[in-house]
Amino acid sequence: AQSVTQLDSQVPVFEEAPVELRCNYSSSVSVYLFWYVQYPNQGLQLLLKYLSGSTLVKGINGFEAEFNKSQTSFHLRKPSVHISDTAEYFCAVSVRVHAGGTSYGKLTFGQGTILTVHP
Amino acid sequence: DTGVSQDPRHKITKRGQNVTFRCDPISEHNRLYWYRQTLGQGPEFLTYFQNEAQLEKSRLLSDRFSAERPKGSFSTLEIQRTEQGDSAMYLCASSLTGANTDTQYFGPGTRLTVL
Repeated sequence: AQSVTQLDSQVPVFEEAPVELRCNYSSSVSVYLFWYVQYPNQGLQLLLKYLSGSTLVKGINGFEAEFNKSQTSFHLRKPSVHISDTAEYFCAVSVRVHAGGTSYGKLTFGQGTILTVHP
Repeated sequence: DTGVSQDPRHKITKRGQNVTFRCDPISEHNRLYWYRQTLGQGPEFLTYFQNEAQLEKSRLLSDRFSAERPKGSFSTLEIQRTEQGDSAMYLCASSLTGANTDTQYFGPGTRLTVL
């Protein structure tokens, strides 16, 4: 079975400072990796994903993440945050599973990191 | 592309009542998923549809829960005899087979409060 650990439940930071949100995963098979953002009382919005190729992936809103296979990590970074980045961020792994004659990517989420950007 | 939509956005009900939620996926997406998210937690998988067939159900989906996708388009999630422990955000997601390895796109969710 796979699992995702987000190492910080809350990250406070000042506006225009850099930020890193940490994510480690565990899986016995190869995975795809995702970061989603959730604003209060809203659904999840895809920030970025790693499927293959370059280990540094860029997403929306200036975020990027680096896949490190040896450390089984997928940390999210932004060089300069804005007040509007205040939200909860979820790391997720996708593993191919078989069901009913099909295979699909099943998502397992971490517990989330609340990023609060202060003026 | 209007994204995944869910209705209602909020539902308050009394314990023991039945509730039904609706999800409309992105129009060309053939796969649909339901998740439950409780306060302070990440979403947890409930069930998966490909077209109209329900192909996987989590053990979290007790007998009081039933999901359908009758024509392979919209889906409904019904909870019978609601309990206070059912209070949560219910999220729907959709994806397209083979496109970006099933990247899932989420709706805004339905927040259920059971009094």
